[in-house]
Amino acid sequence: ETGVTQTPRHLVMGMTNKKSLKCEQHLGHNAMYWYKQSAKKPLELMFVYSLEERVENNSVPSRFSPECPNSSHLFLHLHTLQPEDSALYLCASSQDLSGRSLLSSYNEQFFGPGTRLTVL
Amino acid sequence: AQSVTQLDSHVSVSEGTPVLLRCNYSSSYSPSLFWYVQHPNKGLQLLLKYTSAATLVKGINGFEAEFKKSETSFHLTKPSAHMSDAAEYFCVVSVRSGNTPLVFGKGTRLSVIA
Repeated sequence: ETGVTQTPRHLVMGMTNKKSLKCEQHLGHNAMYWYKQSAKKPLELMFVYSLEERVENNSVPSRFSPECPNSSHLFLHLHTLQPEDSALYLCASSQDLSGRSLLSSYNEQFFGPGTRLTVL
Repeated sequence: AQSVTQLDSHVSVSEGTPVLLRCNYSSSYSPSLFWYVQHPNKGLQLLLKYTSAATLVKGINGFEAEFKKSETSFHLTKPSAHMSDAAEYFCVVSVRSGNTPLVFGKGTRLSVIA
């Protein structure tokens, strides 16, 4: 185990549902990430939190809403998703060595097992 | 701009034969490079990393990678494949500035034939 857990592991939801994905890290890291992994596409970075503040948002649609209440927990709130949002959503954490600047040097990341999301 | 190219989307080897997964990178800065492995229905696990120390890096499960600056390559090798090595492998470059901490390759699926 990597020290990063995600729940649920599988989720099926309709386009009008609201659900949340949860990630928890037990490594004492200060940065957490959400990625989307779709078939036959590179891993897509969605959100980055460093020291509990969002430092990256790669033009992700507003139907995805992240929340980082503390350095150990990260949520992804889902609302009115589309079928093309079906994917594996991966959470990761790392120790951000240089602080919250966008110029930080990022260390290797530790990944959770992912949540397999299916939108009907 | 930084980028990573994994030259093969699928590699198939026989059990006990060598493994070579190829990766080329492009970076404006001195890069950190990683290889991650993803087994079915699992998250990504770090195999090894290069961070400007020794150019030959040893990782877990008998894997190695060599950083060659002149060739901008970071190929992953293993002398003898095992059935449990069958998985998806990702080459990743880390940049020290810009908006994206890690840039992932598209992945290489390794199949091991008994």
